[in-house]
Order: sequence, then structure tokens, then C-alpha cells
Amino acid sequence: AQSVTQLDSQVPVFEEAPVELRCNYSSSVSVYLFWYVQYPNQGLQLLLKYLSGSTLVKGINGFEAEFNKSQTSFHLRKPSVHISDTAEYFCAVISGGYQKVTFGTGTKLQVIP
Amino acid sequence: SQTIHQWPATLVQPVGSPLSLECTVEGTSNPNLYWYRQAAGRGLQLLFYSVGIGQISSEVPQNLSASRPQDRQFILSSKKLLLSDSGFYLCAWSVSSGNYGYTFGSGTRLTVV
Repeated sequence: AQSVTQLDSQVPVFEEAPVELRCNYSSSVSVYLFWYVQYPNQGLQLLLKYLSGSTLVKGINGFEAEFNKSQTSFHLRKPSVHISDTAEYFCAVISGGYQKVTFGTGTKLQVIP
Repeated sequence: SQTIHQWPATLVQPVGSPLSLECTVEGTSNPNLYWYRQAAGRGLQLLFYSVGIGQISSEVPQNLSASRPQDRQFILSSKKLLLSDSGFYLCAWSVSSGNYGYTFGSGTRLTVV
């Protein structure tokens, strides 16, 4: 079975400050990991994904994430946030051979001017 | 390029009325298709997924049903809506394995009154 845990339901951060959104997963086999962003009343947009290779993955809008197998984590980071980054962020995992993606419960990032 | 269309964007329906939400994908063939519901504070809940025409898998028992009459068409239905059916409904597609992530539609906000 696979699961995803996003411990922080809300993260407030001041504009231009760095941010880290945490994600931990559970799976007994190899995994593929994703981060999605959802702006109010919109669908989810893929930010970045880890399939294989380099553990540091760069995505759109200046975000990056690092896959840490020993800690079963895939935390999302941005060195300097903007007001426009205010949104909900979802971590997701799919295990090898399993066709369905499992999503975390989401983290609402609130950027404070 | 591939696109996914979902409509309507918003819908207000009385309790006991029927429902039909439609999702179509363009630019690909034999996609995996998914219906998710997003209720306040409950994250993304997978309702149905389909790996081919006429093949529907239900994840949770509920008042809803899904159908896939054509390769790139996925319909979510209900004969009689309940108040608890209110939420944000998202359609998504992936390549057959799903390992490259999902692409989501823009969502339908359903309010049952």
C-alpha cells in the first residue's frame, strides 16, 4: 500500500522569505513522487515530479523538491516566495506497478505581504 | 498537445435532482481517466477510475456512478443528489501507467441545495 502525509495543513510565510512544505510517503516498493499546486476554484497543476535520477528536482515557478529515500520524504522548497504563490499544495505518490496516484491532504501556503 | 475539458464550471442543483458532469480529453488515445471529489478539509478523494471504454472501478460506495461511453469521454452521474454530494469535482487523465502524473481539468463546483 502507498500513502502520503503532509503534516502542515497551513503554512504562513512573509513575502520574499524562504518556505519548505513537508511531505512524507510510505511505500514498500519504488515510488514516483509529485507536487501539485491548486489556485482557488481551479484544477490542480503539476509543479514537479521525481521519476528517477537526480534527487533534486526543479519545477515551475522557482520551486524545487528533494527526494530522500532514507527519510521517505519529498519536501518542496522555494528560496523566496511571492504573493502569487498563495495556493494549496498537494504531494502525491504512485508506487511501481500501481496505476492510481495517492494524494496528501494538502498544505495551504499563505504569503503575507 | 493534450487537453482536458470539464464542464460545467459551476452548478447549483436541488436535492433529489439528477446530475451529469462531463469530461473529455483530446490529443491522446486510451488514457486512464479519473474522477476526484474535493470537499472542504478532506483533501482529494478518488471516486472512480477507468482504464478503458466501459471499464469503471469505484473506490468508495456512494450515491454517484460513472460511465465511459467513448475512449476519451468520462461522465459522472447521479439519479438523485444528496446534500453531501456538494463539493469540487475534478476530472483527470494519465497515460496508461500513470507514472508520469495526472493532468487535471479545471473542475466543477457543485452545490446541492
